[in-house]
Amino acid sequence: DTGVSQNPRHKITKRGQNVTFRCDPISEHNRLYWYRQTLGQGPEFLTYFQNEAQLEKSRLLSDRFSAERPKGSFSTLEIQRTEQGDSAMYLCASSLVEPGGADYEQYFGPGTRLTVT
Amino acid sequence: AQSVTQLGSHVSVSEGALVLLRCNYSSSVPPYLFWYVQYPNQGLQLLLKYTSAATLVKGINGFEAEFKKSETSFHLTKPSAHMSDAAEYFCAVRDNAGNNRKLIWGLGTSLAVNP
Repeated sequence: DTGVSQNPRHKITKRGQNVTFRCDPISEHNRLYWYRQTLGQGPEFLTYFQNEAQLEKSRLLSDRFSAERPKGSFSTLEIQRTEQGDSAMYLCASSLVEPGGADYEQYFGPGTRLTVT
Repeated sequence: AQSVTQLGSHVSVSEGALVLLRCNYSSSVPPYLFWYVQYPNQGLQLLLKYTSAATLVKGINGFEAEFKKSETSFHLTKPSAHMSDAAEYFCAVRDNAGNNRKLIWGLGTSLAVNP
């Protein structure tokens, strides 16, 4: 088990550019979460997937943000027309929820730090 | 709505001293509570969790936390601090009101350990 991985680890981009981040969850995990963490704050929920279905999006996720998990494995988070306020650490987590409802803790990746100049 | 408050954004202790990091929660349903640690430039690592079983929960690296319903608290403790404990610590409550099970986080407490 290699854990949750995220790429890239760091991204510097100019305002107005599009960026895409990737998250590879733990292989048997069916749930995948995206969180955003700004300096001095705790993480904030953005969205989550159950297998390939995106089941909830936070109001923090403006129309410029889109996330996919096409085959229920890896996920991508795209930000279009980046703004300076998008600068943050983007965290991905995965977990396993069993059919009967029992579930286990979320495991986090190292994050992608985005800087918009 | 659920929420978490961590009292003290910065805590400083001497090596070998007791570590106490405070967390209070608000929840309309029985909560699941977590403590995570974040080292610089790394992801969040689970220290321990409370999921309605034993109220005293033991975690990794010698940390433990006690769930006190009457005080709506879940404070994290360690009897003797090590230099390697210096990190950011986050308390979180899981949203059990719906199906998303997302985590709702406190602002974090930065722990410094002085030699």
